[in-house]
Amino acid sequence: DIVLTQSPDSLAVSLGERATINCKSSHSILHTSKNKNYLAWYQQKPGQPPKLLIYWASTRDSGVPERFSGSGSGTDFTLTISSLQAEDVAVYYCQQYFSTVAFGQGTKVEIK
Amino acid sequence: QVQLVQSGAEVRKPGSSVKVSCKASGDTFSTDTFTWLRQAPGRGLEWMGRIVPGVGMTNYEQRFQGRVTITADKSTNTAYLEVTRLTYDDTAVYFCARDFGMAQYFFNYWGQGTLVTVSS
Repeated sequence: DIVLTQSPDSLAVSLGERATINCKSSHSILHTSKNKNYLAWYQQKPGQPPKLLIYWASTRDSGVPERFSGSGSGTDFTLTISSLQAEDVAVYYCQQYFSTVAFGQGTKVEIK
Repeated sequence: QVQLVQSGAEVRKPGSSVKVSCKASGDTFSTDTFTWLRQAPGRGLEWMGRIVPGVGMTNYEQRFQGRVTITADKSTNTAYLEVTRLTYDDTAVYFCARDFGMAQYFFNYWGQGTLVTVSS
């Protein structure tokens, strides 16, 4: 089974500053023949379902603000919020879909 | 635009079963793939399984095999999740979601969630 480990578990960032969340996979999730990384990122606010932000590791879903970006390949991935806004306070999850489906444990983002 | 509307909260006793529904809007129900996930209190997300209503194909997470059944009714655009032999550990919010596309197993539309509480 592929295990995703996120770091940190929580972080506090000042408004307008950068937030960086890491996601490490126990196995490579790069499909070499398709040159695609099978990784997505979600945002979840209290009492709501998750919202898709990024897929294929770096493609923003429709309507997602440009301040959200994804990067990485193979086993190491990053979600960056370039300038944190108040509405970005949430828990963020990475998800791999290379082998069945699995999620990281989540990273809570708060305002400092 | 797809909307997924789930059935309401349920309370069940240990050892019993629960069936949760997820009604989809739109006219692509038969060709879409619908997934069920759950989130226990204060915990992360668990994938449980999926169904392609048009062909009745299902896949289940191994640890739920034999205890979870996913079905779909094309006449009402509704997907169902049934969990049997409930234990306290099954207390969670259960979500249905639509896969982004064929064999693209990430989820761009979600239901609002259904809280299932297992309590004696």
